[in-house]
Amino acid sequence: GAGVSQSPSNKVTEKGKDVELRCDPISGHTALYWYRQSLGQGLEFLIYFQGNSAPDKSGLPSDRFSAERTGGSVSTLTIQRTQQEDSAVYLCASSSGTGTYEQYFGPGTRLTVT
Amino acid sequence: AQKITQTQPGMFVQEKEAVTLDCTYDTSDQSYGLFWYKQPSSGEMIFLIYQGSYDEQNATEGRYSLNFQKARKSANLVISASQLGDSAMYFCAMRELIRTGANSKLTFGKGITLSVRP
Repeated sequence: GAGVSQSPSNKVTEKGKDVELRCDPISGHTALYWYRQSLGQGLEFLIYFQGNSAPDKSGLPSDRFSAERTGGSVSTLTIQRTQQEDSAVYLCASSSGTGTYEQYFGPGTRLTVT
Repeated sequence: AQKITQTQPGMFVQEKEAVTLDCTYDTSDQSYGLFWYKQPSSGEMIFLIYQGSYDEQNATEGRYSLNFQKARKSANLVISASQLGDSAMYFCAMRELIRTGANSKLTFGKGITLSVRP
């Protein structure tokens, strides 16, 4: 079946602009995660959605970052007033929320802030 | 807090040989899961293998096996019969199993680069 998809695959934006990154999880997966991968920082957890529960936002680095998940499916990560340190690959993952809880990742969005 | 340590520098292995990628972890949780992911140059994270902290047998998935030594807090990945397509970055990760929500996130190590030589 279809895996996790993300769009756009690449995004170049000017400092100070807002960006939206989209994630389409595997159909039927109730859990959705956003991670950020940057040089020297490895993979960092950003935010987690599980079903209709309130999201776990504990990994968001600042209030410029927000995310929503509509209808328990598609998620959008928004970064406002982008800064150069926001340049990274943003990875989305989904999980069935049961069993071994393995997470399946999308191809990522490479964000470059100039 | 959970911590994953992967300290090996870039690893090289001859095609068709076996290779072990090291991972040690630290956690105060009693029940946890350990994962290995592969990240080729295309960037996508590919799930390879899972080991639960209470599993008595070491996990195996095809050419991948996980050498789990709970007392030493190590979860090394063994790749048998290496192939050129195994060249990639490999990440060890863990999560707590008992609780959901805040502890469902994966904590990753820094990764190890593996290069398979023909």
